[in-house]
Amino acid sequence: SQTIHQWPATLVQPVGSPLSLECTVEGTSNPNLYWYRQAAGRGLQLLFYSVGIGQISSEVPQNLSASRPQDRQFILSSKKLLLSDSGFYLCAWSAGTNPGSPLHFGNGTRLTVT
Amino acid sequence: KQEVTQIPAALSVPEGENLVLNCSFTDSAIYNLQWFRQDPGKGLTSLLLIQSSQREQTSGRLNASLDKSSGRSTLYIAASQPGDSATYLCAATNAGGTSYGKLTFGQGTILTVHP
Repeated sequence: SQTIHQWPATLVQPVGSPLSLECTVEGTSNPNLYWYRQAAGRGLQLLFYSVGIGQISSEVPQNLSASRPQDRQFILSSKKLLLSDSGFYLCAWSAGTNPGSPLHFGNGTRLTVT
Repeated sequence: KQEVTQIPAALSVPEGENLVLNCSFTDSAIYNLQWFRQDPGKGLTSLLLIQSSQREQTSGRLNASLDKSSGRSTLYIAASQPGDSATYLCAATNAGGTSYGKLTFGQGTILTVHP
């Protein structure tokens, strides 16, 4: 069966520090991968998605970047965090062949920028 | 641009009550409609997925319906239990335009079932 791992679960970082969140998927190949952010009082916002290694699409201009160095690995990064980067970050995957495939989420990372 | 709205924003019911959560979407060009559950501080768990050609899906005490022409979906929970307390989100998978294949989420309904 397929599983998705996301870490760390919680993170407290000072403003201006770098960020690296990692997500890996097991039990499937060539998945579509997604990074979402859920801010308090707001819905889920799609940040990045990837349909293959090295293929990253950004949904909104921001202080963050994403990379996909391996088929089942998706990394969210920042060189210098802002206060506004605080939020709940969720990684997700779906089967790569069908645009209507179900979306499966990791347990999320709670990021607090102080 | 697809917009998804969920009503009510919050709902509190006594245990055993049947309840309905509502979801509406503005663009009927969708592949499917998904319902998720989110416990506090956790990720989203998929509950039901209704393809655009389907009218409803059932899983245990949950039943989700879809009326694509009117842009509405409902999640029916029968005989609610305290363990059902969570935030419920719906999401439409867009089938057209620049958002092709991407999900648009509603803001969620916070459900509390009290003993």
